[in-house]
Amino acid sequence: SQTIHQWPATLVQPVGSPLSLECTVEGTSNPNLYWYRQAAGRGLQLLFYSVGIGQISSEVPQNLSASRPQDRQFILSSKKLLLSDSGFYLCAWSVSGVNEQYFGPGTRLTVT
Amino acid sequence: GENVEQHPSTLSVQEGDSAVIKCTYSDSASNYFPWYKQELGKRPQLIIDIRSNVGEKKDQRIAVTLNKTAKHFSLHITETQPEDSAVYFCAASGGDYKLSFGAGTTVTVRA
Repeated sequence: SQTIHQWPATLVQPVGSPLSLECTVEGTSNPNLYWYRQAAGRGLQLLFYSVGIGQISSEVPQNLSASRPQDRQFILSSKKLLLSDSGFYLCAWSVSGVNEQYFGPGTRLTVT
Repeated sequence: GENVEQHPSTLSVQEGDSAVIKCTYSDSASNYFPWYKQELGKRPQLIIDIRSNVGEKKDQRIAVTLNKTAKHFSLHITETQPEDSAVYFCAASGGDYKLSFGAGTTVTVRA
């Protein structure tokens, strides 16, 4: 069966510091991968999605970037965090060509 | 792009009663409509979904209906239980496999 991992689970970072969040999927090949952000008490905002290695589409202009160095690895990065970057970051995957998306456990980021 | 609106934002029901959440979407090309349940501090979990070629789908106490002409779909929970208390999100997707989410409905089931 498929499993999705995210780390770290929680993170507290000062404004202006860099960020790297990692997501990996097991048990499937060539998945579609997605990064979402959920602000406190709010809905889910799609940040990036990827249909293959090195293929990244950005949905929202921001100081975040994403990379997919391996088939089942998706990384979310920032060079300098802003207070507004605080939130719950969720990675999701789907089988290529299929709609159903499944979420990872998330990373709760607090920027101080 | 797709715009999904969800109502109500909060819903309080007595245990055993039914709960209904409604969503509307803007893109007539959307053809996939999932519902997610998110418990406090947890990840969203896919609980039911419906495709545009189906008008209704049931899974035990939950059901989803779709009206493509009016571009709206609804989640129905019958015989609500305390464990149904959570935030529920609707979403819509077209051929690009990206999901656009509603803002969420906080459901509280009173014992």
